[in-house]
Amino acid sequence: QKEVEQNSGPLSVPEGAIASLNCTYSDRGSQSFFWYRQYSGKSPELIMSIYSNGDKEDGRFTAQLNKASQYVSLLIRDSQPSDSATYLCAALNQAGTALIFGKGTTLSVSS
Amino acid sequence: DTGVSQDPRHKITKRGQNVTFRCDPISEHNRLYWYRQTLGQGPEFLTYFQNEAQLEKSRLLSDRFSAERPKGSFSTLEIQRTEQGDSAMYLCASSPTAPETQYFGPGTRLLVL
Repeated sequence: QKEVEQNSGPLSVPEGAIASLNCTYSDRGSQSFFWYRQYSGKSPELIMSIYSNGDKEDGRFTAQLNKASQYVSLLIRDSQPSDSATYLCAALNQAGTALIFGKGTTLSVSS
Repeated sequence: DTGVSQDPRHKITKRGQNVTFRCDPISEHNRLYWYRQTLGQGPEFLTYFQNEAQLEKSRLLSDRFSAERPKGSFSTLEIQRTEQGDSAMYLCASSPTAPETQYFGPGTRLLVL
């Protein structure tokens, strides 16, 4: 059973701090990884994709991938109350036909 | 708004009834996916289409579930003889061939009484 594991949280950070979200995956054949943000009652919204080892930055967001350790992370700099949501980590299966999601980490940013 | 639309947004039905959901993907995307999400869980893959061909189905997709994408454009997901355990958010996503980045629609929330 291919799995993606995330700490469910909640992760609480003060406004302006860095939030660090982590995820591990079991399928070594996965090559593509994604972070989605999901507000309560809404559908997942794509934040970042990462395909190569190392860091990828987009505005306040940085995704990190380490395929040897099967580890993906998301850093959110200068966290805002509007960042409060559930963050879903997903790995594309080896066949490229389905995303395997973790259960999500709930982030709460207090003002 | 990602450009993926789903209809209806909410559906309440009684156990044993049949329901059908529709998904319209982003027009240039040839890949379409259905997922199901229950409270506190991440989305779970149900099925995948490339153009009109259904190429993969999850073991979660029992014989009461059927999906079609007749002309490679919109897709429908039908649940026959609904059960209370079918209550969930049904999500549709689409992607181009490359990159395989999936964009989700707003979802259809199903409640089976």
